[in-house]
Amino acid sequence: NAGVTQTPKFQVLKTGQSMTLQCAQDMNHEYMSWYRQDPGMGLRLIHYSVGAGITDQGEVPNGYNVSRSTTEDFPLRLLSAAPSQTSVYFCASSYARSGGGSYNEQFFGPGTRLTVL
Amino acid sequence: QKEVEQDPGPLSVPEGAIVSLNCTYSNSAFQYFMWYRQYSRKGPELLMYTYSSGNKEDGRFTAQVDKSSKYISLFIRDSQPSDSATYLCAMSASSASKIIFGSGTRLSIRP
Repeated sequence: NAGVTQTPKFQVLKTGQSMTLQCAQDMNHEYMSWYRQDPGMGLRLIHYSVGAGITDQGEVPNGYNVSRSTTEDFPLRLLSAAPSQTSVYFCASSYARSGGGSYNEQFFGPGTRLTVL
Repeated sequence: QKEVEQDPGPLSVPEGAIVSLNCTYSNSAFQYFMWYRQYSRKGPELLMYTYSSGNKEDGRFTAQVDKSSKYISLFIRDSQPSDSATYLCAMSASSASKIIFGSGTRLSIRP
């Protein structure tokens, strides 16, 4: 298994440009999510999906779009890049449902380092 | 006020010391309490989790949850240089709901 893969690893954009960060997983996980990590801020949830065709907003969704057409892929789109979106972006996946105190581990990708000039 | 507060450190201790990492939280609905470890320029990896209150031990690592005080801790015994990383606490209300992360504590173990 490749686990969670993200492309690209690094990206530099100019203000106003758009781009798509790719995320794929081969573990048949229902739940996928996108986080951004900034110094001193921890990981903040941008968008998440509990299955193909279902997405929802997290804590910081503004300026980002997602779609989930397949179980494996969950791309994140920056509509019009701004310097405030300079960050490290992580995609994560897990099984969606459990219970009785059992936690579904989230597996993280290696991250995409994005700089917006 | 953030839902989850974590001292960012950095924390530097000598090899073999006992390390204590802590988080506080405000949302009483949290039931799952996780600790992730993140090495430099890598994605976070789950270290251990606790459901509701109590202690959980895994080798040199012990996680404690005190829901009455809204306070969680991670203890590392016999710390090793390989434990040098950023440790993030994380919490959620259910196994399928969104996870709120602390800001992370950077830990360095000196040989």
